[in-house]
Amino acid sequence: GAVVSQHPSRVICKSGTSVKIECRSLDFQATTMFWYRQFPKQSLMLMATSNEGSKATYEQGVEKDKFLINHASLTLSTLTVTSAHPEDSSFYICSARGGGNIQYFGAGTRLSVL
Amino acid sequence: DAKTTQPPSMDCAEGRAANLPCNHSTISGNEYVYWYRQIHSQGPQYIIHGLKNNETNEMASLIITEDRKSSTLILPHATLRDTAVYYCIVRVGNSGNTPLVFGKGTRLSVIA
Repeated sequence: GAVVSQHPSRVICKSGTSVKIECRSLDFQATTMFWYRQFPKQSLMLMATSNEGSKATYEQGVEKDKFLINHASLTLSTLTVTSAHPEDSSFYICSARGGGNIQYFGAGTRLSVL
Repeated sequence: DAKTTQPPSMDCAEGRAANLPCNHSTISGNEYVYWYRQIHSQGPQYIIHGLKNNETNEMASLIITEDRKSSTLILPHATLRDTAVYYCIVRVGNSGNTPLVFGKGTRLSVIA
């Protein structure tokens, strides 16, 4: 299947700093990517839809000024957690549509904010 | 909200078939049934999907009832590596730009 690469896989940062997470489609182009967040023992929750060349669409309750999304090319979307706080500690996962309208997921980024 | 209902957990003996049920009684005519699984601390992995016919691939088989209100994912010979949370998701199949909405899934434990 199609490959979605996510980087970094793990990040630990101090409270107040910003963290950027990259999501790349390695062997296909993705005009749309999705960002999810998963807290321990919970399911994936959609945060936002990232659209190449336009503004992202955020789900209700997700602060767009805190979670900045940039989708500047057909193979790369980035999620920046600005001024991270301990409550932002979570598992962040991206996905993109590959062949056959199948969504493929990255391996996830575990963010720990101290 | 997720449009599917799954049992929260199941056990299966290694080497036996794992049959994971999913109820989707409000499924629409243009919605497909997708199955993904998530092994601990990894991103979800696509398994299989179907509209109304039964489907089989190298990973699993998908059996959809004639009225399409429920389905069963079958792992024919479960191994310890199949221990994961399995998600059944319904979504309009030809709209790849529509996100997947995850429910709570079924936690499958394969036991040696």
